[in-house]
Amino acid sequence: EVHLVESGGGLVQPGGSLRLSCAASGFTFTTYAMSWVRQAPGKGLEWVSTISGSGIDTYSADSVKGRFTISRDISKNTLYLQMNSLRAEDTAIYYCAKDTQTVAGTSFDYWGQGTLVTVSS
Amino acid sequence: SYELTQAPSVSVSPGQTARITCSGHKLGDKYASWYQQRPGQSPVLVIYEDSKRPSGIPERFSGSNSWNTATLTISGTQAMDEADYYCQTWDSSSVVFGGGTKLTVL
Repeated sequence: EVHLVESGGGLVQPGGSLRLSCAASGFTFTTYAMSWVRQAPGKGLEWVSTISGSGIDTYSADSVKGRFTISRDISKNTLYLQMNSLRAEDTAIYYCAKDTQTVAGTSFDYWGQGTLVTVSS
Repeated sequence: SYELTQAPSVSVSPGQTARITCSGHKLGDKYASWYQQRPGQSPVLVIYEDSKRPSGIPERFSGSNSWNTATLTISGTQAMDEADYYCQTWDSSSVVFGGGTKLTVL
């Protein structure tokens, strides 16, 4: 059974940094692309970033380019999101999601429970 | 940047058919997916590649995609189908979500 468990969220001041983790199990981690999707309080879903199964290719939304970095550690079956220069508008629940294929550009068949990031002074 | 447009809300009576649409430029040339999100829960994939249902998704959920519009159809809508529904596609190396449609079953 596929399990995705996010961690690392919390309260951080504007301009600060945070690293989110997503522990994956129940599938061959390197076979599938992985993504981060966020949802601000009371708002819709917003894609953040995707990394291919190989880890070679990454894609990010314009709103986070240059500030957020997606990566994966295949030895730990873990997906990461390094978030720097955080802003109030980054406040959201961050979901880890498994893509349906190795390459990016498909859909997300499994989602974690999400971790809340609050950016506030 | 590419945009997907959804109506903010749709209402349906129990047992009737609900249709939720998603519009985007030449969306029919791309694959569309649909997600259901109940309050306080994570999204669930209900349709992928325009019309395919993941295992465990009831047959009353179906999808289509043509020209500029993708449609999620829920036949025999049940109270448990009340949720937010989001369409999604991929364009120019970016994932795009629609703004979401709140389905009310009343």
